[in-house]
Amino acid sequence: DAGVTQSPTHLIKTRGQQVTLRCSPISGHKSVSWYQQVLGQGPQFIFQYYEKEERGRGNFPDRFSARQFPNYSSELNVNALLLGDSALYLCASSWGQAYNEQFFGPGTRLTVL
Amino acid sequence: AQSVSQHNHHVILSEAASLELGCNYSYGGTVNLFWYVQYPGQHLQLLLKYFSGDPLVKGIKGFEAEFIKSKFSFNLRKPSVQWSDTAEYFCAVTTGFQKLVFGTGTRLLVSP
Repeated sequence: DAGVTQSPTHLIKTRGQQVTLRCSPISGHKSVSWYQQVLGQGPQFIFQYYEKEERGRGNFPDRFSARQFPNYSSELNVNALLLGDSALYLCASSWGQAYNEQFFGPGTRLTVL
Repeated sequence: AQSVSQHNHHVILSEAASLELGCNYSYGGTVNLFWYVQYPGQHLQLLLKYFSGDPLVKGIKGFEAEFIKSKFSFNLRKPSVQWSDTAEYFCAVTTGFQKLVFGTGTRLLVSP
């Protein structure tokens, strides 16, 4: 079984641009969560989606948005990029809405210049 | 809001030494506790988890952790580390749903 996949692997953008990151969960998993991991820190929760609805949101500005598709894949969008958005963006999937073990993907490394 | 503190940012050990990584959390209610590991070049993997029951939980690769509710702690232990245990270790807590709150991580370097 394939694990959680994310694309692209690396991305370089300039300030003010917009970026879209993609995540495909493990087959059968209906919940997708997004995390931001800044260098030297632990991952920080951004969003959780379950059955195509937002079920949780972390302390991130409205420039961050996400959605989940009928096939349970997900996109994370960040508008008006700032230098501080440079980070590893992690996607995690799990079977249900309430806590089940979360399986993490390899992440997308975003660099904002 | 919940928070997680990991006491050691960097730990250096020789092979066969014993390991204990500290983790404390702040939350007064029921918690689920986790240790994740990130080996160099790899993604986050679950080492072990505590939901309820026996406070001493065993995970993969010989790791174990003890939940001490009165101390709000969930320390990770391994009696004898190997070079292959070199990695970054994250303690995390969730209070019910999917939002994992992570600590800042501990980088472990095991010298052969």
